[in-house]
Amino acid sequence: DQQVKQNSPSLSVQEGRISILNCDYTNSMFDYFLWYKKYPAEGPTFLISISSIKDKNEDGRFTVFLNKSAKHLSLHIVPSQPGDSAVYFCAAGDDTGRRALTFGSGTRLQVQP
Amino acid sequence: KAGVTQTPRYLIKTRGQQVTLSCSPISGHRSVSWYQQTPGQGLQFLFEYFSETQRNKGNFPGRFSGRQFSNSRSEMNVSTLELGDSALYLCASSLDGRDNSPLHFGNGTRLTVT
Repeated sequence: DQQVKQNSPSLSVQEGRISILNCDYTNSMFDYFLWYKKYPAEGPTFLISISSIKDKNEDGRFTVFLNKSAKHLSLHIVPSQPGDSAVYFCAAGDDTGRRALTFGSGTRLQVQP
Repeated sequence: KAGVTQTPRYLIKTRGQQVTLSCSPISGHRSVSWYQQTPGQGLQFLFEYFSETQRNKGNFPGRFSGRQFSNSRSEMNVSTLELGDSALYLCASSLDGRDNSPLHFGNGTRLTVT
């Protein structure tokens, strides 16, 4: 039973445009959400997080939106750059284990120059 | 500041053997977590250690175990290896285990079981 789902395995975007990566979750106990980026042969790199008490968090070109009623979150990258090409994972946690994150299956983003 | 260091990067073992993987967290980080990444199951939580105590455990068999030392360095051990244990094993550290400080991952150990 996948509690965190990334339904799009891949996404292709033109440089300079917006990239929108989506993530759905089923466990209503999740109250902390994160996005990680992963390049080949490297570990995941933390990008941005959001607590369930917020519906938006921004950090430079990255914005995460959380819709608790829909159990949906999204990552917006504006403007997209070729160096953003990587696999993006969303992850969720609850207060029983902040380090026991549940990860989605990932979305491969390709930013075309 | 040095990142999370995992050794070795690659490992090839035979079914039935046992293996030990090592992780050095970022200096000052006291929580160490381990994850397994496979193509079929994705990233899955193994366990978390804080102050030399296992604080949380994922849904893995008892063949998977770990420990943490007083300097926060951690090891994980897999006994009686099976072909399905072939995976990328990722270690992650964070400042504390209870707050919302994010996990910082190492580059992993790629284990191949033949």
